[in-house]
Amino acid sequence: AQSVSQHNHHVILSEAASLELGCNYSYGGTVNLFWYVQYPGQHLQLLLKYFSGDPLVKGIKGFEAEFIKSKFSFNLRKPSVQWSDTAEYFCAVIFLSSNTGKLIFGQGTTLQVKP
Amino acid sequence: NAGVTQTPKFQVLKTGQSMTLQCAQDMNHNSMYWYRQDPGMGLRLIYYSASEGTTDKGEVPNGYNVSRLNKREFSLRLESAAPSQTSVYFCASRYIGSVNEQFFGPGTRLTVL
Repeated sequence: AQSVSQHNHHVILSEAASLELGCNYSYGGTVNLFWYVQYPGQHLQLLLKYFSGDPLVKGIKGFEAEFIKSKFSFNLRKPSVQWSDTAEYFCAVIFLSSNTGKLIFGQGTTLQVKP
Repeated sequence: NAGVTQTPKFQVLKTGQSMTLQCAQDMNHNSMYWYRQDPGMGLRLIYYSASEGTTDKGEVPNGYNVSRLNKREFSLRLESAAPSQTSVYFCASRYIGSVNEQFFGPGTRLTVL
């Protein structure tokens, strides 16, 4: 079955620390990859996306992610986190073989940044 | 452009009651989706409508029904609510084309007592 796995469920960092959140997906051919963020009390917002081309993609608010096809991974990074980055982060994948546009989500990672 | 809108924002039901969650989009998108979000489980697809006039089951369809009323609107119905359906429900839409991005509504927080 097509699946997405996020390794870290709860991450606590101090401000200015570097962040890397892991995301792996099951084999399923060509994929589109996404990272969404959900700030407390708010709805999902798109951080960044990968469809094709340069495997290093840059998103909003200083986030970036690298697609490593051989490892089926799409890890999210930020060099220096801020308190305002406290939120829940979701990795999501569209397996293009299904032709339905269905997003498969990871379980989510809660990031808490201490001031 | 309001994007994707959902009503209501909050709802409390008693076990066995029914209700319909409404979703509408004004972006002329073809596909629409209903997800539920539960702690530690991410978002799971309940039903989707790839295009007007079609609906299909997602990962967790039991206890739900949907109606794609027209291109803009996609409703989710709970016929007999159960405590296990306590969740936050998100609607999303997507334009069929080269870009596969889905746009999400603000969510409905449902509690079933």
